[in-house]
Amino acid sequence: DIQMTQSPASLSASLGETISIECLASEGISSYLAWYQQKPGKSPQLLIYGANSLQAGVPSRFSGSGSGTQYSLKISSMQPEDEGDYFCQQSYKFPWTFGGGTKLELK
Amino acid sequence: EVQLQESGPGLVKPSQSLSLTCSVTGYSITSNYWGWIRKFPGNKMEWMGYISYSGSTSYNPSLKSRISITRDTSKNQFFLQLNSVTTEDTATYYCARSQYYGYWYFDFWGPGTMVTVSS
Repeated sequence: DIQMTQSPASLSASLGETISIECLASEGISSYLAWYQQKPGKSPQLLIYGANSLQAGVPSRFSGSGSGTQYSLKISSMQPEDEGDYFCQQSYKFPWTFGGGTKLELK
Repeated sequence: EVQLQESGPGLVKPSQSLSLTCSVTGYSITSNYWGWIRKFPGNKMEWMGYISYSGSTSYNPSLKSRISITRDTSKNQFFLQLNSVTTEDTATYYCARSQYYGYWYFDFWGPGTMVTVSS
């Protein structure tokens, strides 16, 4: 299975701060990488697919980048509603696998 | 709008079978791929498998022969059965639509249902 190593495990950011979350795949995944946000008690919401394509309706302060084995999610200006858990997920090879998650809090 | 809703027992005894239903509205399950994902206490997420628009299936090998995903197209529902459960199967179970637009991703999810395996 492809292992997805996500970092950091937790992050505290100030209002307006730019933050990045990283995801490292154990082998190349050719941009078959999605990012999700999950708020407490809610289901995950798709933010980014194909490593850098913004899902419809997602604020433009979210962006994704990367290639090969290294990918990142950037939030360009932290907002209170951005608090939650973030997951990466590869769909390059079966079984599809997820990163361990990053808990983002507002400082 | 596509909506998914999981349903099923919240408590299952060890060695028994876990059975969940995902009811889909706003979109036909005879299109796209429809899957099950679970989130364990501690936040680890696991893709369990999917059933395709044609009824073919793909499963996570980690679940070996314990898993079965089926569907009822007349009710626009698909189902998860996980046999011989243990306490390690305690998790929140989500159903989701898999979309392909150059890349695969899950674009619609159900709210999730928590299942506890305990005697």
